[in-house]
Amino acid sequence: GENVGLHLPTLSVQEGDNSIINCAYSNSASDYFIWYKQESGKGPQFIIDIRSNMDKRQGQRVTVLLNKTVKHLSLQIAATQPGDSAVYFCAETFVANQAGTALIFGKGTTLSVSS
Amino acid sequence: DAGVIQSPRHEVTEMGQEVTLRCKPISGHNSLFWYRQTMMRGLELLIYFNNNVPIDDSGMPEDRFSAKMPNASFSTLKIQPSEPRDSAVYFCASSLGVVEGYTFGSGTRLTVV
Repeated sequence: GENVGLHLPTLSVQEGDNSIINCAYSNSASDYFIWYKQESGKGPQFIIDIRSNMDKRQGQRVTVLLNKTVKHLSLQIAATQPGDSAVYFCAETFVANQAGTALIFGKGTTLSVSS
Repeated sequence: DAGVIQSPRHEVTEMGQEVTLRCKPISGHNSLFWYRQTMMRGLELLIYFNNNVPIDDSGMPEDRFSAKMPNASFSTLKIQPSEPRDSAVYFCASSLGVVEGYTFGSGTRLTVV
């Protein structure tokens, strides 16, 4: 089956820098994408989402970019803080399925922020 | 709101034993998902329910795995018999139709020795 994959398994940044985490997806039918953050010992937490009719969406300190041409998704974190250290997952699904939807996750990128 | 509640948090069992993982979704949520997380395979969808009905169980690895949702407030994932390769963190998540309402529990760390 088609899976969401990630380009880099780890990313190390200095506090205050901007972070960019990338994700490649292969299912062209996917129309909804989400970024999750998972801290050690916890379940994934929703960060931000984007639908396929958008190219960019901004939240507080986070921005998600979607390039449907090359099936690429990225998460930008501005002014990265130590508390941002976690594993980040992208996930995809298609909301048109009337019977319900399920997210398919990539393997994750570990973000490490040093002071 | 207490969120999605999973029990137990940790489970250590011997190979061949039956293991039952439990999940209480957020009240009012109509979809429930079971995921398994390992370092090698990441987060894998095992099965999901919509309005207590199993929609897709194609992710269930083998007949040793089974899941039930007898009512809107409770679901179980059972492994019988368990094997060492089943060792993983098992997550339950629930949502109310719209996918952005996907909330995960804290997971059950299963170790089969």
